[in-house]
Amino acid sequence: GAVVSQHPSRVICKSGTSVKIECRSLDFQATTMFWYRQFPKQSLMLMATSNEGSKATYEQGVEKDKFLINHASLTLSTLTVTSAHPEDSSFYICSASPASGGPSCFGPGTRLLVL
Amino acid sequence: GQQVMQIPQYQHVQEGEDFTTYCNSSTTLSNIQWYKQRPGGHPVFLIQLVKSGEVKKQKRLTFQFGEAKKNSSLHITATQTTDVGTYFCAGPHSGGGADGLTFGKGTHLIIQP
Repeated sequence: GAVVSQHPSRVICKSGTSVKIECRSLDFQATTMFWYRQFPKQSLMLMATSNEGSKATYEQGVEKDKFLINHASLTLSTLTVTSAHPEDSSFYICSASPASGGPSCFGPGTRLLVL
Repeated sequence: GQQVMQIPQYQHVQEGEDFTTYCNSSTTLSNIQWYKQRPGGHPVFLIQLVKSGEVKKQKRLTFQFGEAKKNSSLHITATQTTDVGTYFCAGPHSGGGADGLTFGKGTHLIIQP
């Protein structure tokens, strides 16, 4: 079945630094990938839609200059949290929508802790 | 914007009892999906319902999609400790196709042996 990986799985960084998270579709091509954020004991919130070869679409309230998204190929999307602050600490999860159709497949998530 | 409401937020059951979580959307959905998230894990896709009034079963799990395609339910018969986790419903964020999802708040299932 479709598999999505994320790297790193866990990261701790100092306030003010930038963190890059990778999302890869391992055995299928994904023209569209999605980035979600989940705070403890809360639901997943869609942050942005990442389209291969074009600019990402951000949801209301998500700062595009703070959460940089690059979807350079059909199997890779990256999310960079720039100048991270403690309030950015969260569980970041990507999902990939197969070009062939069907429901999206979620990655294992990246836990970010900003000190 | 679209809202997806889910109740209850928490459900404590004795092992062997049944469990149901309900999902209601403010708008008609082209489809609804259900996910399970174990503590410390990521959401795992369970099923997608597309047709009005659809009912699907997976062993002890029964999923229903309402006639108006605005509500759905997940019922687990005779819960087991392996059923522990949070169950989320989710609908297309803005209209279908290659779309992100709007998730309900989830129902946390706690099972007492």
